[in-house]
Amino acid sequence: ETGVTQSPTHLIKTRGQQVTLRCSSQSGHNTVSWYQQALGQGPQFIFQYYREEENGRGNFPPRFSGLQFPNYSSELNVNALELDDSALYLCASSLAGGGWDNEQFFGPGTRLTVL
Amino acid sequence: DQQVKQNSPSLSVQEGRISILNCDYTNSMFDYFLWYKKYPAEGPTFLISISSIKDKNEDGRFTVFLNKSAKHLSLHIVPSQPGDSAVYFCAAVLYGGATNKLIFGTGTLLAVQP
Repeated sequence: ETGVTQSPTHLIKTRGQQVTLRCSSQSGHNTVSWYQQALGQGPQFIFQYYREEENGRGNFPPRFSGLQFPNYSSELNVNALELDDSALYLCASSLAGGGWDNEQFFGPGTRLTVL
Repeated sequence: DQQVKQNSPSLSVQEGRISILNCDYTNSMFDYFLWYKKYPAEGPTFLISISSIKDKNEDGRFTVFLNKSAKHLSLHIVPSQPGDSAVYFCAAVLYGGATNKLIFGTGTLLAVQP
């Protein structure tokens, strides 16, 4: 059973650009959540996808969007990058829609730097 | 507005002693609480959880206590081991139909000295 993987590990972009981050969920999981962890802060919930549909969203603007695919992989897209978007982006997968118990498994994250 | 607070950014403990990590929250509607541990370059890993209907949950060396009236929970690690050195996040769950959220605190860096 493979764990949650994310790519790329690190990424550098400039302000105004667009970025796509990728996540491969643990096999059999049908729910994926994305988090932003700024330096010195805890992870902040961006949104969750369940069976390819958005199933909850945090306080992030619409330029943060996502996709979930039938093969359990997912993407986080950020348009019009701002300096404050620099952070570690984490995805977490779980089985069941909206479940928040100990079945959430996190990937190692993608470190995004916006210059 | 920080709904989950971990007021101690860091904690240093001697090996074999007890580590106590604290967490406060402001929203009385939170239903479920979790602790995660995070090593550098890795994602957070689930450690232990507690439902709002309980006041204690124990798993080996780890015990979580919940005081709902004080809106406070704590994680006790006994005995502490050098391998426990990591950042510990407290998180709370707010159930709301399609808008369930997991809300994290800012984390406490635990250093267990050999």
